[in-house]
Amino acid sequence: DGGITQSPKYLFRKEGQNVTLSCEQNLNHDAMYWYRQDPGQGLRLIYYSQIVNDFQKGDIAEGYSVSREKKESFPLTVTSAQKNPTAFYLCASSIAQGAGGELFFGEGSRLTVL
Amino acid sequence: KQEVTQIPAALSVPEGENLVLNCSFTDSAIYNLQWFRQDPGKGLTSLLLIQSSQREQTSGRLNASLDKSSGRSTLYIAASQPGDSATYLCAVDGWGGSQGNLIFGKGTKLSVKP
Repeated sequence: DGGITQSPKYLFRKEGQNVTLSCEQNLNHDAMYWYRQDPGQGLRLIYYSQIVNDFQKGDIAEGYSVSREKKESFPLTVTSAQKNPTAFYLCASSIAQGAGGELFFGEGSRLTVL
Repeated sequence: KQEVTQIPAALSVPEGENLVLNCSFTDSAIYNLQWFRQDPGKGLTSLLLIQSSQREQTSGRLNASLDKSSGRSTLYIAASQPGDSATYLCAVDGWGGSQGNLIFGKGTKLSVKP
């Protein structure tokens, strides 16, 4: 079945460590996104990518990095510079960015910093 | 800057009741509006997408309307069931948003009691 797969579902990290969250889609979508969700704050955009080898910062990019080497993959690295990384991270994709297309989400990855 | 508001933040109804969830946005220059459902600890599931040229969309017991001029959308759920219990989020995609990406409301948490 077509969809978006995020892994791992749960991740624990010690302070000072970098971690990478995986996002893979088989929907043949050009655009991919990373959102962060915190209780009471809704979803906030971290990074997005319109096409392979290109990505743009969203509203809260500090302390995060991404790559888009393949159309189907958009991994997110949470670096040690991110001051409050404990959150629920959601990956999404759409046919094309800004084209008014429907957005599809993965099941999310919950990161906890110990 | 586009802002999306959802009222009420929480709603509890008895099974079988028809109900309306509200979403308002500050900038009427949008491509589309999308309604999502989120179950606890899960990703978002797309329910309905209304293009800016449309007034409403229907899927089963769900009907979403859009009034761009007043900056409002409603999600009508007919004959509610306990399985409808979830958080419902609306999001707009348009020039007023961050590079045309979705701007989300904080959601309405719906509880349908048997």
